[in-house]
Amino acid sequence: SQTIHQWPATLVQPVGSPLSLECTVEGTSNPNLYWYRQAAGRGLQLLFYSVGIGQISSEVPQNLSASRPQDRQFILSSKKLLLSDSGFYLCAWRGTGGLNYGYTFGSGTRLTVV
Amino acid sequence: SQKIEQNSEALNIQEGKTATLTCNYTNYSPAYLQWYRQDPGRGPVFLLLIRENEKEKRKERLKVTFDTTLKQSLFHITASQPADSATYLCALDIDTNAGKSTFGDGTTLTVKP
Repeated sequence: SQTIHQWPATLVQPVGSPLSLECTVEGTSNPNLYWYRQAAGRGLQLLFYSVGIGQISSEVPQNLSASRPQDRQFILSSKKLLLSDSGFYLCAWRGTGGLNYGYTFGSGTRLTVV
Repeated sequence: SQKIEQNSEALNIQEGKTATLTCNYTNYSPAYLQWYRQDPGRGPVFLLLIRENEKEKRKERLKVTFDTTLKQSLFHITASQPADSATYLCALDIDTNAGKSTFGDGTTLTVKP
């Protein structure tokens, strides 16, 4: 079965520090991968998605970047964090084509920028 | 752009009753509409997906309807239990090829014993 691993679970970082969140997927190949962010009490905002190695699409101009160095690895990064980067970050994968598939989400990373 | 509205921020019902959650959208009807459950501090868990040519889909105590004329989906939990208490998110596909979706803000359901 497919599993998705995301770490760390919580992170407190000072403003201006770098960020690296990692996500790996097991049990599937060539998945579509996604990074979403959720503000408190709100829905999910799509940040980046990737349909293959090295292919990254950015949805929202921001202080963040994403990379996909391997088929089942997706990384979210920042060179200098802002207070507004605080939130709940979720990695997800989805079967291609969307037929009968919803997203499988990781357990999330709670990021607090102080 | 597609906008989603989910009914009221919170819904409180008595155990054993049917909970009905609403998801309304504003623009084109999506090819797929999804429902998720999210517990505090956890990632959403996929429950059901319904296609635009399907009127209804069921899974155990869950039922989803999709009315493209009203631009609305209803999510029902029958014989509700306290364990059903959670936030429920509606999501619409906005790009089927890329598998991209837009999410509503969710409805928090509390089932009281």
